[in-house]
Amino acid sequence: NAGVTQTPKFQVLKTGQSMTLQCAQDMNHNSMYWYRQDPGMGLRLIYYSASEGTTDKGEVPNGYNVSRLNKREFSLRLESAAPSQTSVYFCASRRGGFEAFFGQGTRLTVV
Amino acid sequence: DAKTTQPPSMDCAEGRAANLPCNHSTISGNEYVYWYRQIHSQGPQYIIHGLKNNETNEMASLIITEDRKSSTLILPHATLRDTAVYYCIVRVGDNQGGKLIFGQGTELSVKP
Repeated sequence: NAGVTQTPKFQVLKTGQSMTLQCAQDMNHNSMYWYRQDPGMGLRLIYYSASEGTTDKGEVPNGYNVSRLNKREFSLRLESAAPSQTSVYFCASRRGGFEAFFGQGTRLTVV
Repeated sequence: DAKTTQPPSMDCAEGRAANLPCNHSTISGNEYVYWYRQIHSQGPQYIIHGLKNNETNEMASLIITEDRKSSTLILPHATLRDTAVYYCIVRVGDNQGGKLIFGQGTELSVKP
């Protein structure tokens, strides 16, 4: 099982560029999440999707958009990247209940 | 979801038990306590959860006080590979999805 797959693993953007971070899960989970983690900090929730067709803001949604394309895929878009968005981005999925599964992260640098 | 408070860091000798505390004084009756850990820069990994009773699995034990205002995660025989950041989360254990909010966690260093 692949679990939660994030692409790309690394990315360097110039300020003002746009990009989409992709996340896919093969566990038939309902809920999916996007987090960011700055150096030395805990994870902060950007957006989440409780089920296919729904999305909600988390703690730090400004500067991001998301799309729950289908049950498997949940993408995160940066329309105009800023240096403050330099971070490690984690995607997660959860069936319901207790255990969430995380991807290995996307390391994004905005210069 | 109730707020949690954890010490920022702890040390533990290899082979000894690691006891990681978490305060959640505003926890509601239907909120569960979850623990996750993050090793180095990997994605977090689920460890255990509980509501009222103490719980044990192959990774750890979770002790919840009778008033449910605090809990302790116990790694019975810590190894160097248990060095990680440990997150205590409190949330409603429903099946409808919803937010999963992490705090700052406790950085556990297991030393030889």
